[in-house]
Amino acid sequence: GENVEQHPSTLSVQEGDSAVIKCTYSDSASNYFPWYKQELGKGPQLIIDIRSNVGEKKDQRIAVTLNKTAKHFSLHITETQPEDSAVYFCAVNTGNQFYFGTGTSLTVIP
Amino acid sequence: GAVVSQHPSRVICKSGTSVKIECRSLDFQATTMFWYRQFPKKSLMLMATSNEGSKATYEQGVEKDKFLINHASLTLSTLTVTSAHPEDSSFYICSASPPRGGTGDEQFFGPGTRLTVL
Repeated sequence: GENVEQHPSTLSVQEGDSAVIKCTYSDSASNYFPWYKQELGKGPQLIIDIRSNVGEKKDQRIAVTLNKTAKHFSLHITETQPEDSAVYFCAVNTGNQFYFGTGTSLTVIP
Repeated sequence: GAVVSQHPSRVICKSGTSVKIECRSLDFQATTMFWYRQFPKKSLMLMATSNEGSKATYEQGVEKDKFLINHASLTLSTLTVTSAHPEDSSFYICSASPPRGGTGDEQFFGPGTRLTVL
């Protein structure tokens, strides 16, 4: 099956700085790569996704880059704000099943 | 669009009782719904995949007789935890996928249900 690794597990940044979270996967047939934000006591919320035919996608302060050759994709958050503090999960869709990363707890320090 | 609801959001029950959790897709029809379990500070663990009108597919190690899943319509799936015990206490999250033909491979998550078994 798919093996998804996510780093770092915790990340603290100053407000206004950028945050980068990286995930690697093992199955080259994977074709859909979403990122989810989960606040305490709530369900995951889709914040951005990318498909295998695209290398980069941006939505305001959030961007995702995909390197299919190296089998990794990254979440980039610029100009971080305190409300960005949450746990972020990457996921990989392989064979119509999602495989999740282990999560990154992001803290934005005001 | 793509809103998924869960009910209840929080439930406390006595050991030995059964608890039903509902998952609804509010603005789209979900061919497939997924049930996850999440332990504190851990990732989501897939329990089962349910397709409308057919039996659910359970992941290895998940007891199908304990975690009953029914996907009776394109907008509703239910998870029943039967004879609940304290070790079943957890955060249960459902997700729903729209039919293929659109993007087809997205999953939209519900807000989760916190189950506490005393």
